[in-house]
Amino acid sequence: DADVTQTPRNRITKTGKRIMLECSQTKGHDRMYWYRQDPGLGLRLIYYSFDVKDINKGEISDGYSVSRQAQAKFSLSLESAIPNQTALYFCATSDTRGGETQYFGPGTRLLVL
Amino acid sequence: KNEVEQSPQNLTAQEGEFITINCSYSVGISALHWLQQHPGGGIVSLFMLSSGKKKHGRLIATINIQEKHSSLHITASHPRDSAVYICAAYGGSQGNLIFGKGTKLSVKP
Repeated sequence: DADVTQTPRNRITKTGKRIMLECSQTKGHDRMYWYRQDPGLGLRLIYYSFDVKDINKGEISDGYSVSRQAQAKFSLSLESAIPNQTALYFCATSDTRGGETQYFGPGTRLLVL
Repeated sequence: KNEVEQSPQNLTAQEGEFITINCSYSVGISALHWLQQHPGGGIVSLFMLSSGKKKHGRLIATINIQEKHSSLHITASHPRDSAVYICAAYGGSQGNLIFGKGTKLSVKP
């Protein structure tokens, strides 16, 4: 079984709808991250969490919110989706004890019409 | 200017060729990562290095801290090496990874 899972894997939604992307991990890592990837732009950090009570904004947090429900779960919400949030979204985890090697989920392809 | 720059953006090689992908960074770092993104989208970590050189199979990563430069080499390239290779620097102002835009490698049989 995969160590980092994301649901859904693909989602099509309409402008203005609320969307939640979920991430779960079985690696026991403290740190979790949400990135988005756009063609030609590389990966950009949306939010990150170093433990359940520590949540921080990344480079492009506007229009997004997150919830760290437990050490193993980190959810990303788009409160009112807009077309330029169409992207590939990745969750990742890392262990503070093992340096910063990050382990990525399989990604969620989101299309906002 | 991006803090992490990769070159080339695209690379096409024949099977068996020796391949080099370059990464330059302008931030102070404590580690440099190389990642591989498969055509299906999945991302895996290949190397994390802070000095010198690391080798795993046909892949070799080097870093020169003074010159703020890292290279990823692939020896005896194979079509299954076709992927996007991403360089990422750890230790920027937010203490998180700063990613390059990636190098798309295509190895032809």
